[in-house]
Amino acid sequence: AQTVTQSQPEMSVQEAETVTLSCTYDTSESDYYLFWYKQPPSRQMILVIRQEAYKQQNATENRFSVNFQKAAKSFSLKISDSQLGDAAMYFCAYRNNFGNEKLTFGTGTRLTIIP
Amino acid sequence: GAGVSQSPRYKVAKRGQDVALRCDPISGHVSLFWYQQALGQGPEFLTYFQNEAQLDKSGLPSDRFFAERPEGSVSTLKIQRTQQEDSAVYLCASSLASQGHEQFFGPGTRLTVL
Repeated sequence: AQTVTQSQPEMSVQEAETVTLSCTYDTSESDYYLFWYKQPPSRQMILVIRQEAYKQQNATENRFSVNFQKAAKSFSLKISDSQLGDAAMYFCAYRNNFGNEKLTFGTGTRLTIIP
Repeated sequence: GAGVSQSPRYKVAKRGQDVALRCDPISGHVSLFWYQQALGQGPEFLTYFQNEAQLDKSGLPSDRFFAERPEGSVSTLKIQRTQQEDSAVYLCASSLASQGHEQFFGPGTRLTVL
């Protein structure tokens, strides 16, 4: 079974600064996806960024980028130029690229933006 | 277009009551997932539908939990004889097809069992 670990329950960053959220995972599969989801207080889970395991290039979406280290099974999220609207719970998630595409989530990191 | 909607947003039940939680997926989405999110935790998979077929129910915690999607669109998660440990947010997600497509989440239903 796959597992996802987020070792930082809480993080804080000054507005306009950069912060990195950590995630490690365990799987015996070679074909999978990794995701970062944002969950604000409204509870709506929003996809921030996704990474396909067979792609060596790290995914980027505007101010969000990942550092994907497949051999180390590490998948960190970097948020640049942090904004007040980035405050939320962030979840790392794993999904196989075959069969049941259920998501396996970590326990989350609460990100606080300091004005 | 409209996103995934869930109703009710909040539900309070007395222990032993039955509850039904509804999910309206995005129109045309084939796959539908239910997740349970306990306080301070990440969501955990409950069950998965492809159209009306329930292909995986391995995450349902007990036989008190039952899900259906009879016409391949709206889905209902039913919990019989609710217990305090059932208190959680229940999230529904849908995706266009079964392979390689993003899951879109609804706002969830917060269930509190007294």
